[in-house]
Amino acid sequence: DVKVTQSSRYLVKRTGEKVFLECVQDMDHENMFWYRQDPGLGLRLIYFSYDVKMKEKGDIPEGYSVSREKKERFSLILESASTNQTSMYLCASSHRVQRRRNYEQYFGPGTRLTVT
Amino acid sequence: KNQVEQSPQSLIILEGKNCTLQCNYTVSPFSNLRWYKQDTGRGPVSLTIMTFSENTKSNGRYTATLDADTKQSSLHITASQLSDSASYICVVSAETPLVFGKGTRLSVIA
Repeated sequence: DVKVTQSSRYLVKRTGEKVFLECVQDMDHENMFWYRQDPGLGLRLIYFSYDVKMKEKGDIPEGYSVSREKKERFSLILESASTNQTSMYLCASSHRVQRRRNYEQYFGPGTRLTVT
Repeated sequence: KNQVEQSPQSLIILEGKNCTLQCNYTVSPFSNLRWYKQDTGRGPVSLTIMTFSENTKSNGRYTATLDADTKQSSLHITASQLSDSASYICVVSAETPLVFGKGTRLSVIA
């Protein structure tokens, strides 16, 4: 079974703090993704990575950065947390796209981040 | 612009009844369409995935249909159970990244 794990289920941080969200997958997937999910807005892509040390901006990268030093691990960093970053954060992974076939994306359980 | 629209936004049905959720998309080029189920406080879990050439796919009591000509998909749930209460998200793939609908919130009540 594919497993995508996230470091915390719930997290409470103060405005201005640096926040690290970690994601680990055990299926040797090339692609990894970070999304945030807000009521009425659905899932929005923050960043994704095709390979180690590779990263691409998604739809809403402002205020976030990412790190992928190892294939199985993809970290999302909030350099200076703000209240508008209170959200559910979801990590996902998949095999690399081949011949226009997008492989299944497997999601982690999510991290509910509250910034006060 | 690539978009996925889902309807209704929310739905309440009695246990044992059937229901159908709709998904319309304007995504090009089209690669495949997926339906995910997301329980409250959990990550989405895949129900079905359909390519251009498939027009029906079942997963237990869930049946997804795809009309690539009209760019519409539906998810039919038969004999609903309380555990079907969740958000159902339609996701369309062009090239990476995916295009997500905002989901339909289904509540099944006894």
